[in-house]
Amino acid sequence: DTAVSQTPKYLVTQMGNDKSIKCEQNLGHDTMYWYKQDSKKFLKIMFSYNNKELIINETVPNRFSPKSPDKAHLNLHINSLELGDSAVYFCASSQTIQNTQYFGPGTRLTVL
Amino acid sequence: AQSVTQPDIHITVSEGASLELRCNYSYGATPYLFWYVQSPGQGLQLLLKYFSGDTLVQGIKGFEAEFKRSQSSFNLRKPSVHWSDAAEYFCAVAAGNNNAGNMLTFGGGTRLMVKP
Repeated sequence: DTAVSQTPKYLVTQMGNDKSIKCEQNLGHDTMYWYKQDSKKFLKIMFSYNNKELIINETVPNRFSPKSPDKAHLNLHINSLELGDSAVYFCASSQTIQNTQYFGPGTRLTVL
Repeated sequence: AQSVTQPDIHITVSEGASLELRCNYSYGATPYLFWYVQSPGQGLQLLLKYFSGDTLVQGIKGFEAEFKRSQSSFNLRKPSVHWSDAAEYFCAVAAGNNNAGNMLTFGGGTRLMVKP
């Protein structure tokens, strides 16, 4: 009964490939997010999304795109992977008004 | 834009000793403030949060934090540290008016090590 789940947990791929990371939440939340944690443990927001609005952090390259098939899922697609994309990616969700975000376990992406 | 500073990158305390982790934020209006903990190889777990009201908030695992508007601080405390508290701790702020899409801004984290 995991609240926020991500697959895969680990992803190793070559530069230039296209990959996706899936996120699902069973909390009934309206808003979902993607964060990137770099090798120095610094966490940075990438996207905030609900069924009305996508807000993109302006520093995120357009190779990254979130896709939401329904309210419980927000997948992260990454095109033309680069070495610098290697990081841990966290999905989170919240009820917008309450502003408390619950995080998934993370996906460690390694680009070779 | 909001920002968060955690001045201490590493802190080492002895088991049973008290703990205070510092967090300073910069935000023009009333912030929503959070502390999260990340154990090695794990995701982030919410310890506590402040939205409004009593400035001393209690969280899980015996942690508490105090919001001090005059100092723009939200320091995390625990009276007696256990070895299992060794982890990375993150302070975060969200725009209280939700105009920023509810996105959290995190501090750089403080790694806590506990000596036996």
